[in-house]
Amino acid sequence: AQKVTQAQTEISVVEKEDVTLDCVYETRDTTYYLFWYKQPPSGELVFLIRRNSFDEQNEISGRYSWNFQKSTSSFNFTITASQVVDSAVYFCALSEAFLGAQKLVFGQGTRLTINP
Amino acid sequence: DAGVIQSPRHEVTEMGQEVTLRCKPISGHDYLFWYRQTMMRGLELLIYFNNNVPIDDSGMPEDRFSAKMPNASFSTLKIQPSEPRDSAVYFCASSAGTGSHNEQFFGPGTRLTVL
Repeated sequence: AQKVTQAQTEISVVEKEDVTLDCVYETRDTTYYLFWYKQPPSGELVFLIRRNSFDEQNEISGRYSWNFQKSTSSFNFTITASQVVDSAVYFCALSEAFLGAQKLVFGQGTRLTINP
Repeated sequence: DAGVIQSPRHEVTEMGQEVTLRCKPISGHDYLFWYRQTMMRGLELLIYFNNNVPIDDSGMPEDRFSAKMPNASFSTLKIQPSEPRDSAVYFCASSAGTGSHNEQFFGPGTRLTVL
């Protein structure tokens, strides 16, 4: 069965610090997809990134970067030079390719607070 | 372009009443999902549709919950009768592309409170 673990329930840092959000997943599939979503205080879920299991290249988008390591089943998310607007709950999610399934399994989320 | 539209945004009802949540997916998307978010259980997939057909409803908690998608631009999630433990935020999401695991676009959610 799929499982996504975000061990950090809450993180609080001071603005401009770098912060890494951890995500560990379990799957029996060789083909799967990993996602990160952001849920700001307003409540909506915002897509950040999708990565498939065959692409282990790290990705950088502005202050955001993602480190995918199949060897440790991890897909960690780093925010560099954090800003107050980064305060949100961040979810890691997994979907498996079996039968073209589109089911997303979410982790419990990490609440990130950036203090001015 | 309009995103996923959900109504109502907030619903307060009394135990035993019927509740209907509505969703309009993004035009052209062929997948529609209903999720529930609670503090205890996090984000759970309840049911999803492909081309208006229910594909997997294994997440629907019990027979009190039902979902329909009569056409490509409208879906409902109904709870009858509602119970206090159904209080949660219900999200609708849509995505495009068969088997490609494209990102899901979420609506703003409906916050349901059952008294």
